[in-house]
Amino acid sequence: AQSVTQPDIHITVSEGASLELRCNYSYGATPYLFWYVQSPGQGLQLLLKYFSGDTLVQGIKGFEAEFKRSQSSFNLRKPSVHWSDAAEYFCAVGVVNNDMRFGAGTRLTVKP
Amino acid sequence: DAGVIQSPRHEVTEMGQEVTLRCKPISGHNSLFWYRQTMMRGLELLIYFNNNVPIDDSGMPEDRFSAKMPNASFSTLKIQPSEPRDSAVYFCASSRGTSGDTQYFGPGTRLTVL
Repeated sequence: AQSVTQPDIHITVSEGASLELRCNYSYGATPYLFWYVQSPGQGLQLLLKYFSGDTLVQGIKGFEAEFKRSQSSFNLRKPSVHWSDAAEYFCAVGVVNNDMRFGAGTRLTVKP
Repeated sequence: DAGVIQSPRHEVTEMGQEVTLRCKPISGHNSLFWYRQTMMRGLELLIYFNNNVPIDDSGMPEDRFSAKMPNASFSTLKIQPSEPRDSAVYFCASSRGTSGDTQYFGPGTRLTVL
């Protein structure tokens, strides 16, 4: 069955430090992969997505993610975190019939 | 584009009352999704529609929950009767309807059942 695992429930980084949020997926075919961000009290906003081609995907707000088939991973990165990046981040895999499976989310806290 | 519109944004009701949540998807989108988000269970897919037809309602928790999509621009999620454990944020999302398409989320309805 299709599933997404985000191993880290909560991560704290200092402002200006680099960030990597982990995501592992389980899916039999080539997946469609997504990262969404949810600010407090808001809906989910798409950061980036991978369908095919270049395994390094650029997104909004300076985020990027790298698809590694051999590791079944799609980790999200940002070289320098800003205080406004504090939010909940969700990894998701798109499956057939337009369905989508979300991970449990990783809450990011940014220290000044 | 106005994005996905949900109403109301907040709903407080008493146990046993009927609750109706509303969603207007993005114009031109063929798929619509209802999710529930809680601290304990995270983000759960309740039901989704394609071209106004329910495709998968396996996530609907029980018969107290029902969803309809009478036309391409409107959907409702109804809980009758409501219970305190239904308290959650309910999100509606829409997409163009092809595999792997991006889902665009509404702002959510925060439901509190007393």
